[in-house]
Amino acid sequence: AQKITQTQPGMFVQEKEAVTLDCTYDTSDPSYGLFWYKQPSSGEMIFLIYQGSYDQQNATEGRYSLNFQKARKSANLVISASQLGDSAMYFCAMREGLNRDDKIIFGKGTRLHILP
Amino acid sequence: DSGVTQTPKHLITATGQRVTLRCSPRSGDLSVYWYQQSLDQGLQFLIHYYNGEERAKGNILERFSAQQFPDLHSELNLSSLELGDSALYFCASSEDYGRGYNEQFFGPGTRLTVL
Repeated sequence: AQKITQTQPGMFVQEKEAVTLDCTYDTSDPSYGLFWYKQPSSGEMIFLIYQGSYDQQNATEGRYSLNFQKARKSANLVISASQLGDSAMYFCAMREGLNRDDKIIFGKGTRLHILP
Repeated sequence: DSGVTQTPKHLITATGQRVTLRCSPRSGDLSVYWYQQSLDQGLQFLIHYYNGEERAKGNILERFSAQQFPDLHSELNLSSLELGDSALYFCASSEDYGRGYNEQFFGPGTRLTVL
C-alpha cells in the first residue's frame, strides 16, 4: 500500500488564486513528520514546510500553509496568492518515527501550472 | 543554494560500466541520504548514513553501494549499469537532533544517462 498518496497528477490555476494540493498518508506510528517539497523545472528540491504529528497548530511559512487533519490522515498544502514562479512539481513526504534511522517517503507528486 | 554539493552534475556512460557519484553535505550535518528519481518510479529513498555508519536502506539494488567518509562526504557507487539506471540521483543532508523535526536539504542532483 502506498504510504503517501497525491491524487492530483496535474493542476492548472490562474495567477493570484489560492491553490490546494492534496496529500493523504498512511502510518500506524504515532510519531511522524510531514514535509512538502517543490521541484522547479531546473530540478532542485526545495523544502517548503513541515508538520509534526504532535504539533497542535497547522504549520505556516509565508504564502505556504499546511492543512493538517490528523484523523483523516490528510496534509494538504495551501499556496495563497499564487505566482507564476510557483509553477513546479510538488511532493508530499513523510518521515515515520522520529529517530535518526527513519527515511523520508515521497508521494508521486503534483505538477502545478500557474496561468497568467 | 542548499549548501549541499553534488558532483558531477551530468554523467553519460554505457551499459555495464561503473560510476561514482559524490556528495558533500552542509557544514555540520551528520546525516546523508541518497535518492533516485526516475520517471516511472518517482523519488525513491536508497540509503541513509549517519556519521559514517549506515542507518537505513531503502530500494537500493545490490549493484549499488555507498559509503560516508570521516570528513562526512559520501559516495554512491553504481556498477554493472543498465539502461534503467538512468535517473536523477539526489543527495540530501540533515543536522541530526535524534528526535523531532529534521529537515533534509537536497543537493542539485546528478543526472545519470546510461546509453
